[in-house]
Amino acid sequence: GAGVSQSPSNKVTEKGKDVELRCDPISGHTALYWYRQSLGQGLEFLIYFQGNSAPDKSGLPSDRFSAERTGGSVSTLTIQRTQQEDSAVYLCASSSLAFSYEQYFGPGTRLTVT
Amino acid sequence: AQTVTQSQPEMSVQEAETVTLSCTYDTSESDYYLFWYKQPPSRQMILVIRQEAYKQQNATENRFSVNFQKAAKSFSLKISDSQLGDAAMYFCAYSTGGTYKYIFGTGTRLKVLA
Repeated sequence: GAGVSQSPSNKVTEKGKDVELRCDPISGHTALYWYRQSLGQGLEFLIYFQGNSAPDKSGLPSDRFSAERTGGSVSTLTIQRTQQEDSAVYLCASSSLAFSYEQYFGPGTRLTVT
Repeated sequence: AQTVTQSQPEMSVQEAETVTLSCTYDTSESDYYLFWYKQPPSRQMILVIRQEAYKQQNATENRFSVNFQKAAKSFSLKISDSQLGDAAMYFCAYSTGGTYKYIFGTGTRLKVLA
């Protein structure tokens, strides 16, 4: 595709519900990142995928968070039993090379947990 | 551990004037990359400019230029002839050469006054 796309654009959910956020990276990009951006904060690294290698999950804040990347392309970030502190913008980025190269970002998903 | 600090939460500039956004970082590495990203209200993060640490020459991209002071670990962004479309959050980011980890600052909100 022309760029990184994310869906949904906005998601409002009740506390305790599960949510799935989707990211479609740029075709051919082997590296994919998920970040969380809370109000007034910078980007917090969550997880990184590179090709067929095991993902780096070191940034996931709790075991309620998980992510998959199917076929080296689309990725889904799942948050189980959502809490109010999970409210944030979740950004996905992809890169053609893993190391120190420009990341192309999607427009993000704004998650609001009520 | 590497850190990135943006000490200016908010800046204002008159249209057509010049503004400088500050960024400092801390690292013990010699090979690294620095970036400035722009995030307009649409939330789409866009790369503005990139600097390789091994390059002494400051990067420039049209109206955007950096002042890279390696010894001082400073990486400021200068926007010349500011335009209304420059209004956005600006994030400074750091990545160590040969790794995929990026560290972002907390951002500076730039307002452009007509």
